[in-house]
Amino acid sequence: DSGVTQTPKHLITATGQRVTLRCSPRSGDLSVYWYQQSLDQGLQFLIQYYNGEERAKGNILERFSAQQFPDLHSELNLSSLELGDSALYFCASSVGLSPLHFGNGTRLTVT
Amino acid sequence: TQLLEQSPQFLSIQEGENLTVYCNSSSVFSSLQWYRQEPGEGPVLLVTVVTGGEVKKLKRLTFQFGDARKDSSLHITAAQPGDTGLYLCAGQVEYNFNKFYFGSGTKLNVKP
Repeated sequence: DSGVTQTPKHLITATGQRVTLRCSPRSGDLSVYWYQQSLDQGLQFLIQYYNGEERAKGNILERFSAQQFPDLHSELNLSSLELGDSALYFCASSVGLSPLHFGNGTRLTVT
Repeated sequence: TQLLEQSPQFLSIQEGENLTVYCNSSSVFSSLQWYRQEPGEGPVLLVTVVTGGEVKKLKRLTFQFGDARKDSSLHITAAQPGDTGLYLCAGQVEYNFNKFYFGSGTKLNVKP
């Protein structure tokens, strides 16, 4: 158990809809990272938050947004969903120089 | 172009064989991690290496960090079906430890 919790585990929705993915980092970790992984592909970095502030942005679409709350949990909002957004979305957390610890992901299916 | 190039992309071997996965870069890393990911699950941290030339062992897995801290390798001895999965390397550069660069992964299939 990595200590990183993601909900929901699965999400099925229709094109054009909006969803929210939630992540609770490991206790003590200040940084939260979001990644997208499409079928049989590597991890694509989306965005990083550190102690409530956006720290770095990757290949995140304008239709996607995220935030980190005072209790350090984070949410990733995906709107105007398209079929191509179907993927696994992972959250990872770390603190200082420590490596990333990943949650088990949310599998999003857009129909 | 990815900062970390991982090879091979795919590897299908018989149980009992040995294999090596490589992770290479032209950049210097302050630390490098190896993860294993099983289908539908999150990557699980196997090891972190931080010192040039460092070698770490985890049962049948041997991890090496290059002397110049630009490359790493993962060697599996006598592979077993339970080793099947996606192996990812990731690194942090000296000037920005908040940023993690990932290789594209090596998909390993060990046949019984």
